[in-house]
Amino acid sequence: QKEVEQNSGPLSVPEGAIASLNCTYSDRVSQSFFWYRQYSGKSPELIMSIYSNGDKEDGRFTAQLNKASQYVSLLIRDSQPSDSATYLCAVRRGSTLGRLYFGRGTQLTVWP
Amino acid sequence: DAGVIQSPRHEVTEMGQEVTLRCKPISGHDYLFWYRQTMMRGLELLIYFNNNVPIDDSGMPEDRFSAKMPNASFSTLKIQPSEPRDSAVYFCASSLAGEVGETQYFGPGTRLLVL
Repeated sequence: QKEVEQNSGPLSVPEGAIASLNCTYSDRVSQSFFWYRQYSGKSPELIMSIYSNGDKEDGRFTAQLNKASQYVSLLIRDSQPSDSATYLCAVRRGSTLGRLYFGRGTQLTVWP
Repeated sequence: DAGVIQSPRHEVTEMGQEVTLRCKPISGHDYLFWYRQTMMRGLELLIYFNNNVPIDDSGMPEDRFSAKMPNASFSTLKIQPSEPRDSAVYFCASSLAGEVGETQYFGPGTRLLVL
């Protein structure tokens, strides 16, 4: 089992819809969880981080964490064509300081 | 801050040649990471350093790959000899231990094509 797994996608939603991106992780003692966005031909950039169970909202983005289920998600409300990108889920384990474990990413397309 | 700086941004070389990729992390950061990204394998961690010391190089594909960090502001990733299967985008990233979230900041990447 891979450390971090994401929906393979691609995910396609119409403009204005809610896009839901999911991620599961294997290490129960993982402490920190991140969502990176990567536009085509660009480098990954951090958009959300979450450390405790529940929801964390930042503008149109909401990260949700459920440590019991080892599950983290990212919701994008009122999706815009500019949200079209690959979204990478990353996890920091408690035993490996500094290092992040990345999923393969989910490609999101928001069509007008 | 200038962010993570990588050079060159693009590299085209022939099989068998030596390739050297360079990275300057964000000033003050104590972690430096080298990643490789391909369509087939996604983003792979090759090696990472803490305070200039290699911590985990288990992701380095084989002996043809080597990385150094002679000081806190410079690191290199060398491939010798290069092969077509090394074609990928190579990212360098840095972070600061103790900073909230310990966010990893990525450089723009080096796009390597080995013919």
